[in-house]
Amino acid sequence: EVQLVESGGGLVKPGGSLRLSCAASGFTFSSYSMNWVRQAPGKGLEWVSSISSSSRYTYQADSVKGRFTISRDNAKNSLYLQMNSLRAEDTAVYYCTRDQRVIPDHDAYDIWGQGTMVIVSS
Amino acid sequence: DIQMTQSPSSVSASVGDRVTITCRASQGISSWLAWYQQKPGQAPKLLIYAASRFQSGGPSRFSGSGSGTDFTLTINSLQPEDFATYYCQQANSFPYTFGQGTKLEIK
Repeated sequence: EVQLVESGGGLVKPGGSLRLSCAASGFTFSSYSMNWVRQAPGKGLEWVSSISSSSRYTYQADSVKGRFTISRDNAKNSLYLQMNSLRAEDTAVYYCTRDQRVIPDHDAYDIWGQGTMVIVSS
Repeated sequence: DIQMTQSPSSVSASVGDRVTITCRASQGISSWLAWYQQKPGQAPKLLIYAASRFQSGGPSRFSGSGSGTDFTLTINSLQPEDFATYYCQQANSFPYTFGQGTKLEIK
């Protein structure tokens, strides 16, 4: 079964750090670009960051640039999001997603994890 | 950045109705648009990609159309399980922005 399982969320104080992980299974992880998408409580979806299959290319939203870093370990079938200098507005459910690999450079996200909640509060 | 605007923000409909949701991009995105369905407490699910291509495993009553800046998602013969929030997303260029969502409620 194709699956993505996020972990690492929790309560953190403003200015703190957190590292999210996403464990992939059921497909050849090293062949797919991967992404993080977040959703603040009661709000819509926001793309956060993407990484190519080989880690050669990474992209971040302006709202997290300089604070969040996406990375992956293909040997461990894992995706990561290092989040530093966290702010209250970073409070959200963070989803790990997989590119379809159907239309290079224009893929939609066909597999989503269940999400991990990050709460930034003092 | 490309802005995505969905309309309406919410819509009420009955089982068996046909519903259309619109998504407009602030600049042309060719056909690089996806539609997702999200139910409360669940992750989003891909319904349509490349504006009109049907994602396997989903019901055939969902269809998408459009290109350039204007796109639509149509749901024919609404079923009880279709009441959810729908999001469009442009996949033309980073950042891959989402629309604000359309909540489909039971009338």
